Amino acid sequence: EAGVAQSPRYKIIEKRQSVAFWCNPISGHATLYWYQQILGQGPKLLIQFQNNGVVDDSQLPKDRFSAERLKGVDSTLKIQPAKLEDSAVYLCASSLGVTGGASNYGYTFGSGTRLTVV
Amino acid sequence: GQQLNQSPQSMFIQEGEDVSMNCTSSSIFNTWLWYKQDPGEGPVLLIALYKAGELTSNGRLTAQFGITRKDSFLNISASIPSDVGIYFCGGSNYKLTFGKGTLLTVNP
Repeated sequence: EAGVAQSPRYKIIEKRQSVAFWCNPISGHATLYWYQQILGQGPKLLIQFQNNGVVDDSQLPKDRFSAERLKGVDSTLKIQPAKLEDSAVYLCASSLGVTGGASNYGYTFGSGTRLTVV
Repeated sequence: GQQLNQSPQSMFIQEGEDVSMNCTSSSIFNTWLWYKQDPGEGPVLLIALYKAGELTSNGRLTAQFGITRKDSFLNISASIPSDVGIYFCGGSNYKLTFGKGTLLTVNP
C-alpha cells in the first residue's frame, strides 16, 4: 500500500513569509494528523482531523497556523507569517481509526517537510 | 498538558550489546507505543501496548506496559548497526503524546 505522501520535502523561507505544506494520507484512512517536530524533540500534535472535521487543534497557534482537509482526503497546513521558531519538521500521519479507538494507533507517518525560516 | 520523561537521552553502545530505555509519566495512559525514527524520515511504529502489565516482543525488541500505566520500557537485544536511530515512546488516551527520544548509536 502507498504510504503517506508529503510535499515539499524541504522549504527555506524568510521570516514573515508564508508557506504551505501538503499531505495525502493512505487511502481510506479517516484520521489525519499534523505534527511539528523541533530538532531534538519528539513530535508535537498540531491538529487532528476526522474525515474533514477538526477533532483537536488545541496546540495549533491559530494566529499564524491554519489547516484544512477539504473532502476528507488531502490536507494542507499553512503558516502565515512565519517566525524563526517555526523552523522544524512538519510531519503528517494518518490512521484508520476514530478518536479513542484501538485502531487509532496504527499511525503511519509521512517523511515530513523540513522548514527552515531565516 | 501531559508530559513524558524518556531516558536516557542518548546511548552509545557496542554491536551485540543489549539496550534498555524507558518512559515515565505523571499521567495514566491507556496505550503505550514505541517508535523508531531514521534521519530524514517519519517515525515508524515498533510495538504497541494496550494493557497494563502487557509484555510484547517484535523480533529482538521487547516492550512492557507498566502496571501503574504510567511507565513503559523498551529493550533491544543483541544490537546491530541498523538499530541506530532515535527511539520515541508515545502515550495515548485519545491523543498521542511523544517523549523527547533516545538517540541510539551502535559501534560496529
